[in-house]
Amino acid sequence: AQSVTQPDIHITVSEGASLELRCNYSYGATPYLFWYVQSPGQGLQLLLKYFSGDTLVQGIKGFEAEFKRSQSSFNLRKPSVHWSDAAEYFCAVSGSGNTGKLIFGQGTTLQVKP
Amino acid sequence: GAVVSQHPSWVICKSGTSVKIECRSLDFQATTMFWYRQFPKQSLMLMATSNEGSKATYEQGVEKDKFLINHASLTLSTLTVTSAHPEDSSFYICSADGGIGYEQYFGPGTRLTVT
Repeated sequence: AQSVTQPDIHITVSEGASLELRCNYSYGATPYLFWYVQSPGQGLQLLLKYFSGDTLVQGIKGFEAEFKRSQSSFNLRKPSVHWSDAAEYFCAVSGSGNTGKLIFGQGTTLQVKP
Repeated sequence: GAVVSQHPSWVICKSGTSVKIECRSLDFQATTMFWYRQFPKQSLMLMATSNEGSKATYEQGVEKDKFLINHASLTLSTLTVTSAHPEDSSFYICSADGGIGYEQYFGPGTRLTVT
């Protein structure tokens, strides 16, 4: 069965420091992978997605992610974190048969220290 | 563009009553909408897939008679929690299929508290 694992439940980084959020997936075929951010009172916002092609994907707000098939990973990175990046981050994979159904990881809470 | 709204944003109801939550795509048409449930500090769990003009498809373990879903138009899907109980208290989130690249657009969610 398809699954997504985000090993880090909570991460704290200092403002200006680099960030990497980990995501590992289990999927039988080539996955469609997504990173979403959830802020209080707001809907989930898509940061970036990977379908095919270049394994390094650029997203909004300065985020990027790299698809590594050999490691079944799709880690999210940002070179310099801003206080406004504090939020909940979810990695997701599309479901079997690419029906559009998303399977989400457990989420990682990012706290940014001033 | 691609805005999804939910109404109400929060609701408190008494045990045994029913509550309806609306999900609207404001500036695009969505043949498919999804309903998720999110417990505090937890991930989103897909409850059902809603297709315009047809019956919803429920995920395993979701009671279709308790969570009634109607997708009457290309811009509106509703979730009715029938005979609500305290254990139904949760954060309910809908999303709409944008039709391009399997991207989903999410509503802001509805906080349901059953007393």
